[in-house]
Amino acid sequence: EVQLVESGGVVVQPGGSLRLSCAASGFTFDDYAMHWVRQAPGKGLEWVSLISWDGGSTYYADSVKGRFTISRDNSKNSLYLQMNSLRAEDTALYYCARSAAGSPDYWGQGTLVTVSS
Amino acid sequence: SYELTQPPSVSVSPGQTARITCSGDALPKKYAYWYQQKSGQAPVLVIYEDSKRPSGIPERFSGSSSGTMATLTISGAQVEDEADYYCYSTDSSGNHSYVFGTGTKVTVL
Repeated sequence: EVQLVESGGVVVQPGGSLRLSCAASGFTFDDYAMHWVRQAPGKGLEWVSLISWDGGSTYYADSVKGRFTISRDNSKNSLYLQMNSLRAEDTALYYCARSAAGSPDYWGQGTLVTVSS
Repeated sequence: SYELTQPPSVSVSPGQTARITCSGDALPKKYAYWYQQKSGQAPVLVIYEDSKRPSGIPERFSGSSSGTMATLTISGAQVEDEADYYCYSTDSSGNHSYVFGTGTKVTVL
């Protein structure tokens, strides 16, 4: 059974930094690219970032480009999102998701990031 | 930036057919995917590559695409199908820019 468990979400001040983690199990992690997707409270889904199976290629939404960095450690079956220069509009539930031909297929339950002073 | 447009809401009576549209300029060249999100839960993939159904998804869910519009159809909607539905695709620039649609709230009553 595919399982994705996100962690690291907390309350952080504007301008602060945070690293989210996603632990994967139930599939061969290094066979798949991985996504981060977020959802602000009461709002729709927003694609954030994608990383290739080997970490060699990364892609970002314009809204986070230059501030967020996606990475992975295939030896630990783990995905990460380093978030810097956080803004109030980054407040959201952050999901990690496995990628199948470019689209998320399995999702975790999310971790909540709140940016507030 | 690329956008996918959906109607904000669709209402359907139990047993009737609900159709949700997704409009985007790149859809003639790019696949559409559909996700169901029930209240308080993570999204679930219900249609991939325009019209394919993942294992475990009921047959009443189907998808199609023509020109700049993709459509998710729920034939014989059930009360448990009440949820938010999002389409997903990418633009045609080759820049790996992915986007979700604006979302549609489906009410079954």
